[in-house]
Order: sequence, then structure tokens, then C-alpha cells
Amino acid sequence: QKEVEQDPGPLSVPEGAIVSLNCTYSNSAFQYFMWYRQYSRKGPELLMYTYSSGNKEDGRFTAQVDKSSKYISLFIRDSQPSDSATYLCAMSAMRFGAGTRLTVKP
Amino acid sequence: DTGVSQDPRHKITKRGQNVTFRCDPISEHNRLYWYRQTLGQGPEFLTYFQNEAQLEKSRLLSDRFSAERPKGSFSTLEIQRTEQGDSAMYLCASSLDRTGQSPLHFGNGTRLTVT
Repeated sequence: QKEVEQDPGPLSVPEGAIVSLNCTYSNSAFQYFMWYRQYSRKGPELLMYTYSSGNKEDGRFTAQVDKSSKYISLFIRDSQPSDSATYLCAMSAMRFGAGTRLTVKP
Repeated sequence: DTGVSQDPRHKITKRGQNVTFRCDPISEHNRLYWYRQTLGQGPEFLTYFQNEAQLEKSRLLSDRFSAERPKGSFSTLEIQRTEQGDSAMYLCASSLDRTGQSPLHFGNGTRLTVT
């Protein structure tokens, strides 16, 4: 079992939809959780950074952490074509998920 | 631009040749990380430096790979006797970090193709 599991998709949604992206992890020692967005041929860029269970909101993005279930989520509201990218969860600098490729169609 | 920069952006080499990549981190960042990323996968950790000290190396980092960060500034990653399986995107990231938990700032990578 991998330490971090992420459904690779691909995921395709219409513009304006709510998108839900998820990761599970097995190591209860992980305390910090990050979501990165990676456009094609670019390096990942940080979207959200959380260290406690519960929700954190930033504009159209909400990160949710459930440490008891070892499950994290990223929600994107009112999705836009510019959100089309690969979304990576990370539990530390050394543990990344495989990434979920998202396409938002106009 | 004061972000993380990597050079070259693309490198095509023949199997058996040596290649070297360079990473210039954000100037005040003390940690520097190297990753390998293949299509459809997330970044795989290779190694990291705290200032000039190389503190951890992944089992993925075979003895053909070596990394340096002289004087705690820029870093180089060298691959000797390249193999076709080395074809990947090599990413560098830096952070201002004392606890290992700070967010990473990535460069745009060096894409290596071994023919």
C-alpha cells in the first residue's frame, strides 16, 4: 500500500461545477497537508496548506482534513476553464500523491 | 523574477552520456529539494539539502546520481551513464524551513530525454 493514494482521474466537468478531489494516507504521523496545482510543462504551485482537521477556505478553494479517517479533500467552487490542471496532494516534502488531472469544459 | 530557476529547460542526450542540471533557489531559502516526475505521476523525492549539507537521499537515487549544493546556494544534479529509464522531468524546489513542514516553491523543471 502506498503511503499516499490519489485517484489519477482524469476528471472532466462543465464550467461552474463543484469539483471534489481526494487523497487518503496511511501514516498517522503526517501533520501537514498541502495541495499543489500543476499546469502542463510547469512546476507545481502551492494552492492550500493546512495542519489541522477541519476546513480551510481561500476564495473558490476549500481544503478539508479528516485525520481520524486519514482523508483529505480539495473542493473547487464555480470551476473555470483556467482551473484545468493536475492537482497534487502532499503530506510532506517527500510524499506526494500521483495527481488528479482535471479538465473544466467551457 | 525571484522564483526558483532551473537550467536547462530541456536536455536530450544519448544513453551512456553524463548530464548535469542546475537549480537556483529563492535566495533566502535554506532547504533545497530534487524530485523526479514521470508522466501521470507525482513528484518522487530524490534528495534534499539544508544549506550545504545533504541530509537525506531516497533509495531511488542510485549511485549514478549525485547532487551538490556548494556554499548553500545553487545546486547541481548529475546523472552519470544515463539510461533510457532516466527520461523524466527533474524538478527542484526550495523552502525557508527549520521544521520540515514549510511549503515548497518549485521551479519549472528540466525535461530529460535519453535516446
